[in-house]
Amino acid sequence: DAGVIQSPRHEVTEMGQEVTLRCKPISGHDYLFWYRQTMMRGLELLIYFNNNVPIDDSGMPEDRFSAKMPNASFSTLKIQPSEPRDSAVYFCASRLTTEAFFGQGTRLTVV
Amino acid sequence: AQSVTQLGSHVSVSEGALVLLRCNYSSSVPPYLFWYVQYPNQGLQLLLKYTTGATLVKGINGFEAEFKKSETSFHLTKPSAHMSDAAEYFCAVSDLRGNTPLVFGKGTRLSVIA
Repeated sequence: DAGVIQSPRHEVTEMGQEVTLRCKPISGHDYLFWYRQTMMRGLELLIYFNNNVPIDDSGMPEDRFSAKMPNASFSTLKIQPSEPRDSAVYFCASRLTTEAFFGQGTRLTVV
Repeated sequence: AQSVTQLGSHVSVSEGALVLLRCNYSSSVPPYLFWYVQYPNQGLQLLLKYTTGATLVKGINGFEAEFKKSETSFHLTKPSAHMSDAAEYFCAVSDLRGNTPLVFGKGTRLSVIA
């Protein structure tokens, strides 16, 4: 298996623009997580899904953030409109049993 | 609620010296415990995990960790540091069933000096 695949790896956008981050989990995994990593706050859980259903989105910072999982092999995290403080590395991870497997991350820079 | 505290945001050791990275957890239910490593511009990679059974667990690259319930600790050790061990290390906890998301500590950056 190719592991968790995220795209793009890097994204630079202007403030106010819409940003969409994409994730393909490992086939057969039933949990999918979105994390955000910053120097100040470390790794924060934004939202997670079980069998494509959102379970807990309490970590989503604002209504500007939304996430979907239309099927078992694809998820998106959207920020609209983006702001400079959204600059961070966003990780997607999937899990079947105990440990989570992480993608390489998307480094988002909002200028 | 579960939480993890990693003592020391930065640890520096000489090549060949013992590596000790500290992790204490808080959990109201029996925990699953994990150590992940992150190299620059990479995702997180699992080093080792404790679920049930033997409290001393061995992982990749010569690392091991011991679950001590009485001390609520899960410290990571390696007898002899190598230059390639320089990275960020994260301790994480989830519940016994593994049904909750991983809760991560703030991370410890390990530097290895030649």
